[in-house]
Amino acid sequence: QSGLTQPPSASGTPGQRVTISCSGSSSNIGSNTGNWYQQLPGTAPKLLIYSNNQRPSGVPDRFSGSKSGTSASLAISGLQSEDEADYYCAAWDDSLNGWVFGGGTKLTVL
Amino acid sequence: EVQLVESGGGLVQPGGSLRLSCAASGYTFSSYWMSWVRQAPGKGLEWVANIKEDGSEKYYVDSVKGRFTISRDNAKNSLYLQMNSLRAEDTAVYYCARDYPYSSSWKYNWFDPWGQGTLVTVSS
Repeated sequence: QSGLTQPPSASGTPGQRVTISCSGSSSNIGSNTGNWYQQLPGTAPKLLIYSNNQRPSGVPDRFSGSKSGTSASLAISGLQSEDEADYYCAAWDDSLNGWVFGGGTKLTVL
Repeated sequence: EVQLVESGGGLVQPGGSLRLSCAASGYTFSSYWMSWVRQAPGKGLEWVANIKEDGSEKYYVDSVKGRFTISRDNAKNSLYLQMNSLRAEDTAVYYCARDYPYSSSWKYNWFDPWGQGTLVTVSS
C-alpha cells in the first residue's frame, strides 16, 4: 500500500524556521485534506495540524501547515529543543480506500 | 477528558491469534468512527483499519485483509481488533484512535486523540 513521501530527517538550530514536505498524489492529498502528527520520543502520536492548516487548541502558533496541489508542508518557526520529535503527515486515499501516512521525518534541534 | 486505553497485547506465536481492546471514555463513543494504527519497532505509522459509528462500514489495509477484523460494542464504549494468522511482520505497537469529527465525510477526518498503545510481538 503506497504512502506519502517525507524526507527521513530535518534539522535546525534554536530559533530557526524548518519546513517538512509531504508529497502525495491526486488520490490522497490532491483530493482530500492533510493532517500532521507529532510523536515525541517514547510517546503516542499527537495531533498537530488538521485540515491542511488548522491548529488544535494548545498547539503553539509556531506550527503551521499548508497544502498545494498534491503536496502538504509543515513549518516550524522559532525552533525549540522540545520540538525534537518525529513528524508524520497523513491523508485518506480514495484509490486505496484507506488512510496513508508519510514515512515520518525525524527533526533534530542542533 | 477524552481518553482511550488499549489492552490485550502480548507475545504470540506465528499463526496464532490475539484480540485487542480499546476502552473509550469522556465522550459519546457511538458518535464517531474509530481506527487502529500500528507502529513496528523503529518504524513509522501504518493505519490498519477503521469502523463507522454503527459498525456498518469497515476498511482495512491490504496487508491485514482476511486476517484481522475490527469491531465495536457501543454499549460498552469499546473497540476491538481480532487478529488471526499472525505473522512476524505484524509485530508492532497498536494504537486506537478516534476519527474526528465527521461521519458522512470521514475522508476529511483526523485522528484525535490516540491511546497509549499496546505491544504485540509475534515470535516463536
